[in-house]
Amino acid sequence: ELKVEQNPLFLSMQEGKNYTIYCNYSTTSDRLYWYRQDPGKSLESLFVLLSNGAVKQEGRLMASLDTKARLSTLHITAAVHDLSATYFCAVTRSYNTDKLIFGTGTRLQVFP
Amino acid sequence: KAGVTQTPRYLIKTRGQQVTLSCSPISGHRSVSWYQQTPGQGLQFLFEYFSETQRNKGNFPGRFSGRQFSNSRSEMNVSTLELGDSALYLCASSPGPGIQETQYFGPGTRLLVL
Repeated sequence: ELKVEQNPLFLSMQEGKNYTIYCNYSTTSDRLYWYRQDPGKSLESLFVLLSNGAVKQEGRLMASLDTKARLSTLHITAAVHDLSATYFCAVTRSYNTDKLIFGTGTRLQVFP
Repeated sequence: KAGVTQTPRYLIKTRGQQVTLSCSPISGHRSVSWYQQTPGQGLQFLFEYFSETQRNKGNFPGRFSGRQFSNSRSEMNVSTLELGDSALYLCASSPGPGIQETQYFGPGTRLLVL
């Protein structure tokens, strides 16, 4: 069974600091997704990583994928309050791209 | 281009009742997936429809069902509601079939079962 784990589950960080969220998955997957969810809101697509070594950046967020280690990271640079949200990673099975298997989510709170 | 829309946004039901939720995908998208989000279980896949056919189903009891219409709009139905069905139900669309590059999520329907 494909399992996805994220850590940390909760992250409280000061504005201006850097931090990394980790996403591990248990079996082979050919795609990894990062989503953001604000409280009471839906999921917003951030990144789609399609191959080993893929790196994508948008503003203060950078995501990378190591398929050999079955690990993706979401790096936050110089955090600002607007980044406060819950971040989810998700993967699909190599043979079945019909559904996303989500991680537990990382709740990020950025304070002044 | 309008996003994914879901109705109703909030719903309160009592145990034993049934409920129908609706989802309209982004124009031109033919694949619709449904997910359940709860604090305890997180985000879990319910099912996916493409061209009016269910292509995949998650590990949920038969009380959870869905369908898709020729205009790609989808409905999901939950019969004999239980307290544990209280959740945020999210619909997602993609051009299809399957997820392809990414899925676009709707605002969700928050269901409370009393």
